[in-house]
Amino acid sequence: DGGITQSPKYLFRKEGQNVTLSCEQNLNHDAMYWYRQDPGQGLRLIYYSQIVNDFQKGDIAEGYSVSREKKESFPLTVTSAQKNPTAFYLCASSFDREGSPLHFGNGTRLTVT
Amino acid sequence: AQKITQTQPGMFVQEKEAVTLDCTYDTSDPSYGLFWYKQPSSGEMIFLIYQGSYDQQNATEGRYSLNFQKARKSANLVISASQLGDSAMYFCAMREGYYGGSQGNLIFGKGTKLSVKP
Repeated sequence: DGGITQSPKYLFRKEGQNVTLSCEQNLNHDAMYWYRQDPGQGLRLIYYSQIVNDFQKGDIAEGYSVSREKKESFPLTVTSAQKNPTAFYLCASSFDREGSPLHFGNGTRLTVT
Repeated sequence: AQKITQTQPGMFVQEKEAVTLDCTYDTSDPSYGLFWYKQPSSGEMIFLIYQGSYDQQNATEGRYSLNFQKARKSANLVISASQLGDSAMYFCAMREGYYGGSQGNLIFGKGTKLSVKP
């Protein structure tokens, strides 16, 4: 079955460490996205990519970095520069056409202490 | 200004009854799409229904329908015959512009927590 896989489901890190969240999709989608969700909040866009080797900053890109070397993969690195990294991170993908919904992974819950 | 407003932080509904979740949006783009997602406590985001700004009829998907009032910029989700499994967070989201010429990402509201009572 096609889908989006995020790993790990839970991640714990010490403050000051960089951490990379994995996102892989086998839906042959062109575009991929990273969102952050805080308790009681909606989703906020961190980065997105519409094509391999190209990506754009979203609303809250500071302290994060991404790469898109393959169509299937869009890893997110949470750097030590991110002031409040503890959150639920959701990866999504979609086709590049009107009306195409975003399909989401199951998310990674990151806790930094 | 918020692009997507969901004014109901929490809602209760009796099992088997219908419920309406409110969503208003703000855009000056004549072309946009509206989406509703369900997020159970497990965290995954489940796509429910889509309405394009030029669609003449309200979208329906099984027990879900979208009450689209373009002049009022409202896109309310109606769930008929509520089930216990409908208890979850519900998010309204918008994509502005034709996909090829826009970012493609969705702008989300803050959500409504629906609780279905037996």
